[in-house]
Amino acid sequence: GAVVSQHPSRVICKSGTSVKIECRSLDFQATTMFWYRQFPKQSLMLMATSNEGSKATYEQGVEKDKFLINHASLTLSTLTVTSAHPEDSSFYICSAAGQGFDEQFFGPGTRLTVL
Amino acid sequence: KQEVTQIPAALSVPEGENLVLNCSFTDSAIYNLQWFRQDPGKGLTSLLLIQSSQREQTSGRLNASLDKSSGRSTLYIAASQPGDSATYLCAARSSGNTPLVFGKGTRLSVIA
Repeated sequence: GAVVSQHPSRVICKSGTSVKIECRSLDFQATTMFWYRQFPKQSLMLMATSNEGSKATYEQGVEKDKFLINHASLTLSTLTVTSAHPEDSSFYICSAAGQGFDEQFFGPGTRLTVL
Repeated sequence: KQEVTQIPAALSVPEGENLVLNCSFTDSAIYNLQWFRQDPGKGLTSLLLIQSSQREQTSGRLNASLDKSSGRSTLYIAASQPGDSATYLCAARSSGNTPLVFGKGTRLSVIA
C-alpha cells in the first residue's frame, strides 16, 4: 500500500505556543487529505478534509482558526495547532487519498502533549 | 450521516479460540468498509478492505464479511494468539467522496 509519513511523531509544548504537524504522501499524489483526532481510549474523529490548493472543510465543532490546515502541494499537508492548551493534547492522525479516492492511507500519528 | 458501532467494547479470550468482532453501520449505501488494528499508542494498521460489491475478504487467519442489507460487518479471527491483542477498529465510507467514519473499537486481549 501507499506510504504516508507524519512529523513529528511526538511533541511536547507549553500552553499558548503553536505546533505544526506535517503529513506527507511518499509515493503517490494525495489529492485529498484528512486530519483525525483521537483522545485516549476513544475512536478517531474527523477534524477536517482538505483538497490540494483549496481551503479545508472543517467538521462541526472544530475551530478553523485554532486548527489551521494547509494543503499546498500534492504530497504535503500541515496542521497547525495555534495557542495550544492542555485540552488539545491528543493523538493526531492524517490520512491521504489519491485521485479516484479508492482507499485512504494513514500516517503513523503524532502525539501532542500540551503542558 | 454514517454512524458506526462496534460490539463488544472489550473482549478477553484464551489463546487458540476463534472469535468474531461485530460492526454495524447506519447508512447501507456504503462505498467500502475497512478493518484496522491499533496497538496502544500507535497508529493504524489496515487489515482488510471490503468494497461494496464484495461480500467478504480474507487475509491469513482473518476473514471479514459485509452484509449491506443488514448494515453489518464481522471480523473473524481464527486460532487467536497473544500477538493479536490490540484494538480493532471498523470504519465505513458512505460514498466515493466521503472519508472513513470510525467505530469506537473493540479492545481484544488474548490470554496465553
